[in-house]
Amino acid sequence: AQSVTQLGSHVSVSEGALVLLRCNYSSSVPPYLFWYVQYPNQGLQLLLKYTSAATLVKGINGFEAEFKKSETSFHLTKPSAHMSDAAEYFCAVRTDTGTASKLTFGTGTRLQVTL
Amino acid sequence: DTEVTQTPKHLVMGMTNKKSLKCEQHMGHRAMYWYKQKAKKPPELMFVYSYEKLSINESVPSRFSPECPNSSLLNLHLHALQPEDSALYLCASSQRESSSYNEQFFGPGTRLTVL
Repeated sequence: AQSVTQLGSHVSVSEGALVLLRCNYSSSVPPYLFWYVQYPNQGLQLLLKYTSAATLVKGINGFEAEFKKSETSFHLTKPSAHMSDAAEYFCAVRTDTGTASKLTFGTGTRLQVTL
Repeated sequence: DTEVTQTPKHLVMGMTNKKSLKCEQHMGHRAMYWYKQKAKKPPELMFVYSYEKLSINESVPSRFSPECPNSSLLNLHLHALQPEDSALYLCASSQRESSSYNEQFFGPGTRLTVL
């Protein structure tokens, strides 16, 4: 079964510092990978997705992620953190089973941004 | 309209009550999903509807009963719930279930408390 592992349940950075949130996947076939963000008391918003078209994927709000097959990783980065980036971030993998598909989420990483 | 709406935002119910959660999208999506999210946990898939037919039921207890009256609407009927069912219930939709480049759009959720 396909799965994702997020290293670090909590990451704290200073405003203006680099943001790095880690995600490793386990898949025997090329995976479809996603990063979602969840602000308090809200639903999930898609940041970016990997669909094998390009290994470096650019998303919204200045985030990007690089797919590295050799490392089975899809880490999320942002060059300069902003206070408004404080939220919960989920990495997810899409699993297809016949005509059905489903998203399996990692355990999440809470990003804290300090002044 | 690129929005998934959910009503109500908050719901408090007793263990003997019957209530329903409603989800609506007008993006022409043909796949709709229910997720359950406990505090500080990732969303867990409950049900998937594809072209108004139930295609995935993740062994959810029968006290949760989904319904898809048409391609824009998804309901979740609740009956005889337990306090441990208290959670954020998220609805999502996507263009169609098994498309390789599918992404799911999430609603803001219904915060359910069972007393």
